[in-house]
Amino acid sequence: SQKIEQNSEALNIQEGKTATLTCNYTNYSPAYLQWYRQDPGRGPVFLLLIRENEKEKRKERLKVTFDTTLKQSLFHITASQPADSATYLCALGDTGRRALTFGSGTRLQVQP
Amino acid sequence: DTGVSQNPRHKITKRGQNVTFRCDPISEHNRLYWYRQTLGQGPEFLTYFQNEAQLEKSRLLSDRFSAERPKGSFSTLEIQRTEQGDSAMYLCASSLGQGPNEKLFFGSGTQLSVL
Repeated sequence: SQKIEQNSEALNIQEGKTATLTCNYTNYSPAYLQWYRQDPGRGPVFLLLIRENEKEKRKERLKVTFDTTLKQSLFHITASQPADSATYLCALGDTGRRALTFGSGTRLQVQP
Repeated sequence: DTGVSQNPRHKITKRGQNVTFRCDPISEHNRLYWYRQTLGQGPEFLTYFQNEAQLEKSRLLSDRFSAERPKGSFSTLEIQRTEQGDSAMYLCASSLGQGPNEKLFFGSGTQLSVL
């Protein structure tokens, strides 16, 4: 069955460092992958999208890579700030099935 | 800013009771999704509408769950004969577009507690 894995352990880093979050998937051939941010008690908020034929996308301090051979996406936040502390979710989509499938998320804590 | 609105924010009910949640999507969005999320997990897909048509339902959606989107505007999700396992955050999302360009805009959710 399809499986999306994100590190369930919280990632703790110092302010100013680069945070790197991982999303691995199996038994799946997504056409695209999205990353969302979720704060406690709130719904997820869209951050970035990358298609299967793209290797890398950037938006301000955010960078996402997509390796369809490794079946992995990496999400980077450079020059991290305490305000970046949240749970980050990856979501996979394909052209056949219409609804996004979400991973369980990784909680990021940026220490001042 | 008229984002996705969900009501109520919190609902406490006793086992066996029926509950109904409402979602008002962003007005020009034609797609509306319902997801369920439990603590420490990601959102789990329940069902999806394009305009008023319900196009997909998860196999996880039991017969006790029903969703409607009359006239392609707001949507309601009803759970009949609630069970303790139904306790979760119920999230609604709307979107415009399809495929890789589709971004979901989520509401803040309805937190359901079944006692």
